[in-house]
Amino acid sequence: DTGVSQDPRHKITKRGQNVTFRCDPISEHNRLYWYRQTLGQGPEFLTYFQNEAQLEKSRLLSDRFSAERPKGSFSTLEIQRTEQGDSAMYLCANEPGREAFFGQGTRLTVV
Amino acid sequence: AQTVTQSQPEMSVQEAETVTLSCTYDTSESDYYLFWYKQPPSRQMILVIRQEAYKQQNATENRFSVNFQKAAKSFSLKISDSQLGDAAMYFCAYRSMEYGNKLVFGAGTILRVKS
Repeated sequence: DTGVSQDPRHKITKRGQNVTFRCDPISEHNRLYWYRQTLGQGPEFLTYFQNEAQLEKSRLLSDRFSAERPKGSFSTLEIQRTEQGDSAMYLCANEPGREAFFGQGTRLTVV
Repeated sequence: AQTVTQSQPEMSVQEAETVTLSCTYDTSESDYYLFWYKQPPSRQMILVIRQEAYKQQNATENRFSVNFQKAAKSFSLKISDSQLGDAAMYFCAYRSMEYGNKLVFGAGTILRVKS
């Protein structure tokens, strides 16, 4: 266990619904990342926070996606009006030092 | 933009034998980090080994070692005395030092260990 917790572990939703995922890092006030991993591929960067500031967003992050990290603690990733193409594993990574620690991910299935 | 290529979708090794996983990358930067991560089935991704580009000496961590060829932009992982617990998906990843801190991953190599 890396100490990074993600909730829920699995989410099945109907197309068009909104979903929200949560990531609890090892510690606060450091870097936190979101990645998306589709089957058979490596994770792709979505966005990252330094403390509560969102410093970079990938072009993969359409306007249906929003992420927050209030007070530099836990983070949430919301997907509005889900599409089947959003089905993937969503990984959170926390970097209290020089090493990134990953959570177990939230597997999203859009039906 | 940086890219990472893992040309071996799947590899197999006999228990106690040695296996090498390949990785090449493309960058115009001179300072960066390279990593190998292990992702067991349904489990969290964990760091196996890290290499700083400015270091000429290849990194080693117990049974894991790398062959870092900066000019060739090659970064292979050697696993010695393979164990059943080494079976997993292995990802090679690049991190820029100049333009932000995200990891850029390859597509991964599935490693199967035969008993």
